[in-house]
Amino acid sequence: QKEVEQNSGPLSVPEGAIASLNCTYSDRGSQSFFWYRQYSGKSPELIMFIYSNGDKEDGRFTAQLNKASQYVSLLIRDSQPSDSATYLCAVNIHSGAGSYQLTFGKGTKLSVIP
Amino acid sequence: EAGVTQFPSHSVIEKGQTVTLRCDPISGHDNLYWYRRVMGKEIKFLLHFVKESKQDESGMPNNRFLAERTGGTYSTLKVQPAELEDSGVYFCASSPTGTDSPLHFGNGTRLTVT
Repeated sequence: QKEVEQNSGPLSVPEGAIASLNCTYSDRGSQSFFWYRQYSGKSPELIMFIYSNGDKEDGRFTAQLNKASQYVSLLIRDSQPSDSATYLCAVNIHSGAGSYQLTFGKGTKLSVIP
Repeated sequence: EAGVTQFPSHSVIEKGQTVTLRCDPISGHDNLYWYRRVMGKEIKFLLHFVKESKQDESGMPNNRFLAERTGGTYSTLKVQPAELEDSGVYFCASSPTGTDSPLHFGNGTRLTVT
């Protein structure tokens, strides 16, 4: 079973619409959850992080966490063409070596159509 | 504040040769991580330094990979001898003290082994 799963997409939404990106994870003990945005050929850039159940809003972005369902999502309101990128879900998962490893999903490619 | 810097940005070497990648973390960040993305796969954890000590190296693929962080500042990752399957993008990331702080990524080194 993969540790962090995302739909690879591509996900296409029209400009101005809400884009919804989803992620599930396998480790029930995980406490920290992150969304990164990666443009082609660039480094992952932190968008949001969330530690508690519920919603966390930052501008046009809302992260949602449901630990009981092991599910985390990212909503992008009023999507813009500049939001077109690959969105990576990352979860801190306890490793056998006694520390936490930030574990990534494969990413969801988002295309916002003008 | 300067971000995480990596050198070189690209490297093309032949199978059997040696390559050394360098990472300069954000000043003051005790945590330094190496990750790798092989084409078509998710970003995978390689290892984690806390200052100069290896906290977790469970992601290192084999003993052809050697990472060092002498003095707890910059880090190097040496691949010797390189194999074809080592091709990919190697990312370095850093974060302040603690395990839940978001990681800041460098732009990566694209390694091609021919």
